[in-house]
Amino acid sequence: RKEVEQDPGPFNVPEGATVAFNCTYSNSASQSFFWYRQDCRKEPKLLMSVYSSGNEDGRFTAQLNRASQYISLLIRDSKLSDSATYLCVVRSSNTGKLIFGQGTTLQVKP
Amino acid sequence: DADVTQTPRNRITKTGKRIMLECSQTKGHDRMYWYRQDPGLGLRLIYYSFDVKDINKGEISDGYSVSRQAQAKFSLSLESAIPNQTALYFCATSARENYGYTFGSGTRLTVV
Repeated sequence: RKEVEQDPGPFNVPEGATVAFNCTYSNSASQSFFWYRQDCRKEPKLLMSVYSSGNEDGRFTAQLNRASQYISLLIRDSKLSDSATYLCVVRSSNTGKLIFGQGTTLQVKP
Repeated sequence: DADVTQTPRNRITKTGKRIMLECSQTKGHDRMYWYRQDPGLGLRLIYYSFDVKDINKGEISDGYSVSRQAQAKFSLSLESAIPNQTALYFCATSARENYGYTFGSGTRLTVV
């Protein structure tokens, strides 16, 4: 079983839609959680950290459920520019390094 | 200038050749990492270094070696390239344990 699992998609949504991505992680001792965005053939860039209480940054909301070992990302009012791959990332409690999910691809259409 | 610079951006090389990918950073971070990315497999860690005298293997280090020449420089070498090392390679840096990573723009390597 992969340490971080995501549905690869693709998710095809119209502009203005609300879309949610989910991610599960296998190590209950994991400490830190992030969402990264990666555009085609570009490097991953940090989108937001995920905190236990949930956090919001504009149209983006991240949630963490430690009991279920589940992380989510909600995007409201989708824009064409949101089209990208979203990587769920967990810090390994064993090594301290980041473990990346394979990513979920979002395509926002006019 | 980019905070994390990788060279070359693209490279085509022949099987059996030695090739070095270079990474330099201006962020002053101690921690540096090399990842490869393949379709459907995501990012996998090859090697990492927490300071100049520290080198550690990641999950897929076979066939690769690294050199941390200075705090700002971390090079990845393929001693004898093979076609299944064709991938997109990323260098990344981080300040300390609970911080996210900053990635370079990547090196697209093709081994023919």
